[in-house]
Amino acid sequence: NAGVTQTPKFRVLKTGQSMTLLCAQDMNHEYMYWYRQDPGMGLRLIHYSVGEGTTAKGEVPDGYNVSRLKKQNFLLGLESAAPSQTSVYFCASSYGPTSGGPYNEQFFGPGTRLTVL
Amino acid sequence: RKEVEQDPGPFNVPEGATVAFNCTYSNSASQSFFWYRQDCRKEPKLLMSVYSSGNEDGRFTAQLNRASQYISLLIRDSKLSDSATYLCVVTSTRRGTSYGKLTFGQGTILTVHP
Repeated sequence: NAGVTQTPKFRVLKTGQSMTLLCAQDMNHEYMYWYRQDPGMGLRLIHYSVGEGTTAKGEVPDGYNVSRLKKQNFLLGLESAAPSQTSVYFCASSYGPTSGGPYNEQFFGPGTRLTVL
Repeated sequence: RKEVEQDPGPFNVPEGATVAFNCTYSNSASQSFFWYRQDCRKEPKLLMSVYSSGNEDGRFTAQLNRASQYISLLIRDSKLSDSATYLCVVTSTRRGTSYGKLTFGQGTILTVHP
């Protein structure tokens, strides 16, 4: 099993450009999450999904959109990148409460390092 | 006030030392507690859950004090490979949903030197 994978690993954008980060998991997890990690701030939740076709806002959703068209994939979009979105982005997944697994344990992907100039 | 607060360190200790990290949380309704470990430029990974009765996993001991809203992690006989950032994580269930929201502390940096 690959676990949670993210593409790309690195990206440099200019202000105003758009991009999509892809997250994929092969553990049949119900829940998926997007976080950003900045120095001194810890991980902050951007958006999350509790199942295929559903998404919800986290703590810092502004400037981002997400989609969960397939259970195994969770996409994070930046429509018009800003320097404040320079960060490391982590995707994570976990079981849902109906799956019988410990849904509070989240499994993280390796991260995407994004720089916006 | 941050929901989860940790001393960011860094803690620099020699091999074989015992080191303790503390964490406080502000939401008294928090339900579950964890320590995650994050190596440099890597993703966080679950180290251990924290139970009210305290729990131990090899050289690692975690304690929870609900009355003081305080969590601790003790590492005995430190190894070079213990060098990492340790993240305190607290969960609470959002009203009306079954989603368990994880809130991360900013992390405590540990460096173990020879």
